[in-house]
Amino acid sequence: QSVLTQPPSASGTPGQRVTISCSGSTSNIGPNYVYWFQQLPGTAPKLLIHTDNQRPSGVPDRFSGSRSGTSASLAISGLRSEDEADYYCAAWDGSLSAVVFGGGTKLTVL
Amino acid sequence: QVQLQESRPGLVKPSETLSLTCTVSGDSISGDWWSWIRQPAGKGLEWIGRIYSSGSANYNPSLKSRVTMSEDTSKNQFSLKLRSVTAADTAVYYCARGGPNMHVWGQGTTVTVSS
Repeated sequence: QSVLTQPPSASGTPGQRVTISCSGSTSNIGPNYVYWFQQLPGTAPKLLIHTDNQRPSGVPDRFSGSRSGTSASLAISGLRSEDEADYYCAAWDGSLSAVVFGGGTKLTVL
Repeated sequence: QVQLQESRPGLVKPSETLSLTCTVSGDSISGDWWSWIRQPAGKGLEWIGRIYSSGSANYNPSLKSRVTMSEDTSKNQFSLKLRSVTAADTAVYYCARGGPNMHVWGQGTTVTVSS
């Protein structure tokens, strides 16, 4: 059971916009930044979004993040086949003094 | 650019200690947080802990009693020791720069716990 809650799966067709949610609490997402990671099949995770909504260099602007209250979301617009991957949210949890992850969302491009 | 490379212990026997080292190239480990994360086959990511170059560390509460992290600035490496391992500790282990802002990752190393 992960501290942050994500839907296990999401899907969309090429060109569509998809959102993935991440629900937390007042000890993690509420007061702290959210980070998103993309894990392509057979590879190490890659930082996709940091500090809620900032993209590292090289990440397309099709990816965007937001945070409100104790929830966050990742949006992918103009969906492409190469976006098919697992997506994880993470945040610092002040009560646990630890980084907590969501359980991950498997995105399928139909 | 910064690159991280995990050591490859491979097989560890139950009840023994898993030891991993992450070698950092391209930058000094001083002045930053460095994390360990693991992923059992077919499952999600689990954060194990992080260490700062000064030696300060935070650990996942579920693993805290068995984990020790350390750093060696002279070798530009940081390390993980996980004691009393069981089959449940079988996973791909990643080292990463940062935590929770893990912006550079190693390629991962598979550790199997088996007699």
